[in-house]
Amino acid sequence: GDSVTQMEGPVTLSEEAFLTINCTYTATGYPSLFWYVQYPGEGLQLLLKATKADDKGSNKGFEATYRKETTSFHLEKGSVQVSDSAVYFCARSSTGNQFYFGTGTSLTVIP
Amino acid sequence: GAGVSQSPRYKVAKRGQDVALRCDPISGHVSLFWYQQALGQGPEFLTYFQNEAQLDKSGLPSDRFFAERPEGSVSTLKIQRTQQEDSAVYLCASSWQRVAKNIQYFGAGTRLSVL
Repeated sequence: GDSVTQMEGPVTLSEEAFLTINCTYTATGYPSLFWYVQYPGEGLQLLLKATKADDKGSNKGFEATYRKETTSFHLEKGSVQVSDSAVYFCARSSTGNQFYFGTGTSLTVIP
Repeated sequence: GAGVSQSPRYKVAKRGQDVALRCDPISGHVSLFWYQQALGQGPEFLTYFQNEAQLDKSGLPSDRFFAERPEGSVSTLKIQRTQQEDSAVYLCASSWQRVAKNIQYFGAGTRLSVL
């Protein structure tokens, strides 16, 4: 929804290139922040999360740092692989019960 | 099971038909969520259960949408008199904590196409 804005895709990179997918959020309070990944034909899988300011989430070479001052949670990877081709979703928790998701960024990595 | 299971994976319905979508959450998970994901968009919240109680249904788009979780485990999302605008992927997620800040585990979704 409007609460999470992420970089529009599609993004196409060569193998071993550096990846950044931008994500910013609007929220009252201090939400938890997440990156989910969706591989073709599969459901959303949690990639990483951060629960408070300055936390860094990391997994499978991906990293994202919770920046309260810029309300951002940008996803980065130093060297992408073909197997990283997927759709990436930034999300935040709410004071209610739901997660708010961005619109997703499609990544294609070519050999 | 090991993960959240949804069935059917694909459903084609004629306009006006009723459909029922099933979600088996991870065993022991207290919280269950339904989301709707339109093509090229992120998931949008529909409804939330804590055990058998439906605590939030603010995201249901109309009274044609109904969800239940009678025994606090399996959940069914029912759509009556389907319309073309209902075509989307319906995602179920579960979490073992009561608060939404915790990780939600998603199923593969049911892709509904209304003709």
